[in-house]
Amino acid sequence: EAGVTQSPTHLIKTRGQQATLRCSPISGHTSVYWYQQALGLGLQFLLWYDEGEERNRGNFPPRFSGRQFPNYSSELNVNALELEDSALYLCASSHGLGRKPQHFGDGTRLSIL
Amino acid sequence: AQTVTQSQPEMSVQEAETVTLSCTYDTSESDYYLFWYKQPPSRQMILVIRQEAYKQQNATENRFSVNFQKAAKSFSLKISDSQLGDAAMYFCAYRRRVEYGNKLVFGAGTILRVKS
Repeated sequence: EAGVTQSPTHLIKTRGQQATLRCSPISGHTSVYWYQQALGLGLQFLLWYDEGEERNRGNFPPRFSGRQFPNYSSELNVNALELEDSALYLCASSHGLGRKPQHFGDGTRLSIL
Repeated sequence: AQTVTQSQPEMSVQEAETVTLSCTYDTSESDYYLFWYKQPPSRQMILVIRQEAYKQQNATENRFSVNFQKAAKSFSLKISDSQLGDAAMYFCAYRRRVEYGNKLVFGAGTILRVKS
């Protein structure tokens, strides 16, 4: 069974640009979660999508947005990039039911110059 | 809001010995899940072990076991017979028990170094 896949592995942008990160969940998983792992700030919840809908959102500004496609893959978009957006962005997937654990991808390292 | 605290930024253990990583959490809810995830330098977060709060029995997975003290809101991870491959960042995480998915709340992590 293929795990959660994320692309690209590494993304380099400059301030003010826009970044798009992609995630493909494990086959059969309908929920996708995005987390930000910034140096010194730990892992912070960003967004949760299930069945194409945004279900929950962390304490991040509106320039962090995303969507989930009919095949359950997901995109995270970050607009007007700032230096502090530099982080590892991790995607996780799970079955919709609450008792199922989340499985993570390898992450996308976003570097803002 | 729920919080998770890992008070040990870094721990070291000799190969083949046992080490315990600490985790405490704060919640007003009575039913929830607790997890330990491992993040090696390869970056991928790997689920090590999970505990359901309504279960009194401590979870075990091979060399990994937990000491779950619900009243004290403590959830420590014991690694027995430590191996070089256990070296990683370990995160304790909390999730509300709801019928339909929810976010994980993570601690700051503990770096585990394994000495040969």
